[in-house]
Amino acid sequence: DVKVTQSSRYLVKRTGEKVFLECVQDMDHENMFWYRQDPGLGLRLIYFSYDVKMKEKGDIPEGYSVSREKKERFSLILESASTNQTSMYLCASSPPGRNYEQYFGPGTRLTVT
Amino acid sequence: QKEVEQNSGPLSVPEGAIASLNCTYSDRGSQSFFWYRQYSGKSPELIMFIYSNGDKEDGRFTAQLNKASQYVSLLIRDSQPSDSATYLCAVRGAGGTSYGKLTFGQGTILTVHP
Repeated sequence: DVKVTQSSRYLVKRTGEKVFLECVQDMDHENMFWYRQDPGLGLRLIYFSYDVKMKEKGDIPEGYSVSREKKERFSLILESASTNQTSMYLCASSPPGRNYEQYFGPGTRLTVT
Repeated sequence: QKEVEQNSGPLSVPEGAIASLNCTYSDRGSQSFFWYRQYSGKSPELIMFIYSNGDKEDGRFTAQLNKASQYVSLLIRDSQPSDSATYLCAVRGAGGTSYGKLTFGQGTILTVHP
């Protein structure tokens, strides 16, 4: 079974803090994705990566950056957290050529106060 | 206009009935369409995909695609309480910078009551 893990289930941070969300997958998938999920808005793509050190902006990249130094790990960084970044963050990975077949991690509920 | 739009529901159907979930999309060049299911407090999981106009059946689930109308639907026959979840429609872009990227709808909450 594909396993995608995220570093925290719940996280509370203060406005202005730098926040790191980590995602690790164990299936040697090339594609990895970061989404946020908000009520009424569904899943929105923040960033994705098709290979190590490669990244592409999704639909809502403002206020976020990413890092992919190793194939299995994809990190989402909030340089200066703001209250409007309070959300559920979901990481996903998919096999090469089948990026529609996304396997999601359990999610991180981030609250910025 | 949202790129992918779903009737947000909630949709409530009795056990044994057919549940019909609908989705429209704005990018006429979209080629691939997917349905994910998300149980409360859990992550989404892929349940169906369809590429060609018409119907695709998998057990109790049928995906329907009409590219001319830019419309995709998911029918769940003989609905069970265990089908109660949020259903997310996702569309893959046709090319260019959007190639391969999935765009999700906001989801439809389905409740199947005994």
